[in-house]
Amino acid sequence: GAGVSQSPRYKVAKRGQDVALRCDPISGHVSLFWYQQALGQGPEFLTYFQNEAQLDKSGLPSDRFFAERPEGSVSTLKIQRTQQEDSAVYLCASEGQKNTEAFFGQGTRLTVV
Amino acid sequence: AQKVTQAQTEISVVEKEDVTLDCVYETRDTTYYLFWYKQPPSGELVFLIRRNSFDEQNEISGRYSWNFQKSTSSFNFTITASQVVDSAVYFCALSENTGNQFYFGTGTSLTVIP
Repeated sequence: GAGVSQSPRYKVAKRGQDVALRCDPISGHVSLFWYQQALGQGPEFLTYFQNEAQLDKSGLPSDRFFAERPEGSVSTLKIQRTQQEDSAVYLCASEGQKNTEAFFGQGTRLTVV
Repeated sequence: AQKVTQAQTEISVVEKEDVTLDCVYETRDTTYYLFWYKQPPSGELVFLIRRNSFDEQNEISGRYSWNFQKSTSSFNFTITASQVVDSAVYFCALSENTGNQFYFGTGTSLTVIP
């Protein structure tokens, strides 16, 4: 497709369950970002990849959060032992060149019950 | 400290009114980039504009215009003759040349009343 695709769009998880969120960036885009957006807030940075290399994971809130991009295209954000405070929209973005326009997906809305 | 501040949480205007959304940023980098994104109810962030720190020229695109002033660290966004379709949350964002992320403000929710 032409844009950034994220799946699933919605995910309900029981507290303690592990979840995996997928991001398909725009083909050929080197940079990939994950952001977390709480209700009524702006997106908060989680992690950044350049190709398959995770260059910045300073925004990951705990060691329960893990992201990978093994072949430099599709990325997965995994959250282990989900907690209620993990409930948010998780946005993925890709960028062709650094500091240019980042294209965002529609996000995955995670609700932990 | 918040790098991007959008002091207006919610704004309501009547259709055809002009509206300005404020954005103030903070950075020590000399090279940086400023952005505005629109987030409609569908949730996807839609890119509107990117400016680099060396280009202070104001820009106009249709009903949208942007005023970048380094002296006050502001990058304000004006919608002229607002329309109902402009209703959305608008985010201002900063990217620093030395960094790896976009810093977003908390957003301004704009409602245009018909």
